Amino acid sequence: DIQMTQSPSFLSASVGDRVTITCRASQGINNYLAWYQQKPGKVPKLLMYAASTLQSGVPSRFSGSGSGTDFTLTISSLQPEDVATYYCQKYDSAPYTFGQGTKLEIK
Amino acid sequence: EVQLLESGGGLVQPGGSLRLSCAASGFTFSSHAMNWVRQAPGKGLEWVSGISGSGGSTRYADSVQGRLTISRDNFKNTVYLQMNRLRVEDTAIYYCAKGTGGAFDMWGQGTMVTVSS
Repeated sequence: DIQMTQSPSFLSASVGDRVTITCRASQGINNYLAWYQQKPGKVPKLLMYAASTLQSGVPSRFSGSGSGTDFTLTISSLQPEDVATYYCQKYDSAPYTFGQGTKLEIK
Repeated sequence: EVQLLESGGGLVQPGGSLRLSCAASGFTFSSHAMNWVRQAPGKGLEWVSGISGSGGSTRYADSVQGRLTISRDNFKNTVYLQMNRLRVEDTAIYYCAKGTGGAFDMWGQGTMVTVSS
């Protein structure tokens, strides 16, 4: 099975900072990559699909890129409401594996 | 408004069984794959199982293969997860999630399953 590895596992940044989270697949998955945001105590929410397509209603400060095995999620200007754990997920074929998560906090 | 409402969670002894339900509304249920995703306390997300819109195709994570069975009733707009031979490590919040183009674009609030003696 394809493994999904995120880095870093934990990230602390200041409001206004540009933040980048990386996700690497152990084999190529084309662009079948989604990103989710889970705020503390809340349900996961879809941010991005097809690696770089923003889900409706998601702020434009979020962007995604990549194809094949290497992907990134970028927040152009970190806001306090972005405190959350972020997960990548492959959905090219089952199993639809998630990365281990990146916990983002405000410095 | 799209809604997913899970039910059926609870406390069960190791080796026991439980059936989870997820009632959907606000969208054409039979046109979408549905999935179950779980999250153990303090841990990350783990995809458990998925079923196609027609119900003709099902998939499972290796960790649950042979013990959990996903099904759906497109007349009742409900997806189920029958959980047998439960283990302590199955303890988690179980979310149902609607698939669109493969990604999971809507999640329910989750139902807690605790496996303990």
